[in-house]
Amino acid sequence: NAGVTQTPKFRVLKTGQSMTLLCAQDMNHEYMYWYRQDPGMGLRLIHYSVGEGTTAKGEVPDGYNVSRLKKQNFLLGLESAAPSQTSVYFCASRRSWTQTPGELFFGEGSRLTVL
Amino acid sequence: GQQVMQIPQYQHVQEGEDFTTYCNSSTTLSNIQWYKQRPGGHPVFLIQLVKSGEVKKQKRLTFQFGEAKKNSSLHITATQTTDVGTYFCAAQAGGTSYGKLTFGQGTILTVHP
Repeated sequence: NAGVTQTPKFRVLKTGQSMTLLCAQDMNHEYMYWYRQDPGMGLRLIHYSVGEGTTAKGEVPDGYNVSRLKKQNFLLGLESAAPSQTSVYFCASRRSWTQTPGELFFGEGSRLTVL
Repeated sequence: GQQVMQIPQYQHVQEGEDFTTYCNSSTTLSNIQWYKQRPGGHPVFLIQLVKSGEVKKQKRLTFQFGEAKKNSSLHITATQTTDVGTYFCAAQAGGTSYGKLTFGQGTILTVHP
């Protein structure tokens, strides 16, 4: 049972390049999330999805786009990378919030550096 | 939007001392969760609190949810070196933002042997 898998784990981009981070979960979870983690800032929510075909903005959505075409996958895209997007990105998933505990299961993280 | 403040940002303790981190929300919460992240790792779920005034214990860890469901705390008794890491609270909003989980900034705990 793989849980939540993120690819790639490391990536270096030049300013202006585009890329997509892939998150896949095999737990049949309804909800999926993308967070970024920066020193002293905790985990900040970028976008989230409460089901296949749905997405919603989090706290810091600017510069990112997401898609949830299949229930098990949640893609995070950077159309034109900026140095401010250098961060560690975590994907997470969980069952619906009405089920307890509604814990988040996290991937191992993707470290992105934008030069 | 919803804000979640967590204090302190850092805590250095000697092994055997107690540790507490506090989480405060600007709005009434549906529930609150706590996570631990070891250095270089990913956050791992510890517990979820749902009821007003709820207190839960896990060995040396005690979790509390405030009566107004706007604040929470995590207390560790007699810290050990294995407790090192960052502790996060995560607040679950209600209403139309029911899917949203907002994290506090985290408290980085260092334990000196």
